[in-house]
Amino acid sequence: NAGVMQNPRHLVRRRGQEARLRCSPMKGHSHVYWYRQLPEEGLKFMVYLQKENIIDESGMPKERFSAEFPKEGPSILRIQQVVRGDSAAYFCASSLGTATSNQPQHFGDGTRLSIL
Amino acid sequence: GEDVEQSLFLSVREGDSSVINCTYTDSSSTYLYWYKQEPGAGLQLLTYIFSNMDMKQDQRLTVLLNKKDKHLSLRIADTQTGDSAIYFCAERLKGSRGSQGNLIFGKGTKLSVKP
Repeated sequence: NAGVMQNPRHLVRRRGQEARLRCSPMKGHSHVYWYRQLPEEGLKFMVYLQKENIIDESGMPKERFSAEFPKEGPSILRIQQVVRGDSAAYFCASSLGTATSNQPQHFGDGTRLSIL
Repeated sequence: GEDVEQSLFLSVREGDSSVINCTYTDSSSTYLYWYKQEPGAGLQLLTYIFSNMDMKQDQRLTVLLNKKDKHLSLRIADTQTGDSAIYFCAERLKGSRGSQGNLIFGKGTKLSVKP
């Protein structure tokens, strides 16, 4: 019974390149959340998705960042034209349902993105 | 507003109890969570409490919630060196459908356990 799987664990990109981070939720989970953790900080919410739908992207930067959760396959967080300030740990979480049913969010081990 | 505050560091001796404190500002919180993060790893859900409860116990962990003061604490009994980690408090808000999903995290309390 695998947990939330994120890959790659570490990703190095040069400024201006694109970064693609993948997240496979726990089996049976249809809700995915992406968070960003800067050094010495807590996690900040970015986006909440269900299959084929973005439910809440209020934490996503307006430019360069996008997320999807297709019908088949993992959720993808995409960062275009990366800058040094994008260096952070990106965590994905999944749950069975939303707050109304209180299904807790289970986290992956994160992707550490480093921008050279 | 949405804000979760935690003290940044706590140091205890092995075998003692640890108490990690957290305050939050939004009274519409529905659930409050404690997560543990070891170096280089993701967040492990330790326990959570519904906002209409005032206490929850789970083996060595005791969660106390004072809703009037918006104060949450996590007590770890008989603290072991393996408990050394960063502990995050998080709240889940009641609100519009769009904001029901996300958690608001504190900056984490780094617990150091000395032998």
